[in-house]
Amino acid sequence: DQQVKQNSPSLSVQEGRISILNCDYTNSMFDYFLWYKKYPAEGPTFLISISSIKDKNEDGRFTVFLNKSAKHLSLHIVPSQPGDSAVYFCATLKVNRDDKIIFGKGTRLHILP
Amino acid sequence: NAGVMQNPRHLVRRRGQEARLRCSPMKGHSHVYWYRQLPEEGLKFMVYLQKENIIDESGMPKERFSAEFPKEGPSILRIQQVVRGDSAAYFCASSPVPLGGVDTEAFFGQGTRLTVV
Repeated sequence: DQQVKQNSPSLSVQEGRISILNCDYTNSMFDYFLWYKKYPAEGPTFLISISSIKDKNEDGRFTVFLNKSAKHLSLHIVPSQPGDSAVYFCATLKVNRDDKIIFGKGTRLHILP
Repeated sequence: NAGVMQNPRHLVRRRGQEARLRCSPMKGHSHVYWYRQLPEEGLKFMVYLQKENIIDESGMPKERFSAEFPKEGPSILRIQQVVRGDSAAYFCASSPVPLGGVDTEAFFGQGTRLTVV
């Protein structure tokens, strides 16, 4: 029962262009949506999050868009840089006493020179 | 302020042995989460602990796996009688308060890569 789906295992984008990573979820009760970035042999690092009551959150080159009616969110990175090459995990969080982050399978982003 | 520390980074065990994975959360963090990443898979939640309490263990296999977070010392994920299918990267994360509200960020360690031979 996969609650968070990242349907693209990998994505290649030219340096300087926009990278768009997509994520779908099944449970309307999630309170927050998060993006984590992971380099090989390292732990995931938090990138950006968005509350379920918002539809957009921006932080520098990173913007997350939330479409609740479609149960879809996306991460936009612009302009893409070589250091952005990594695996990006979409994740969700429901706030209650048993809260925990649920991750998708990840999308590997390759930034091409 | 050191980050989340996991040790060992790499652990090799023969089938049937026990594996002990340690996680020292960031200073001031009393909430610990363990995740497992199988090859080519995402991170699967295993267990959420607060000091001396297991809050949610819904992701833990019913047998051979246990976790603790004592009042003093690191959190321990223990796998008894390991099998080849336990080979994975195990990540620990911590937060100062329960996630949500103003704080949605959990800080991850670098992981322990367990190989069962």
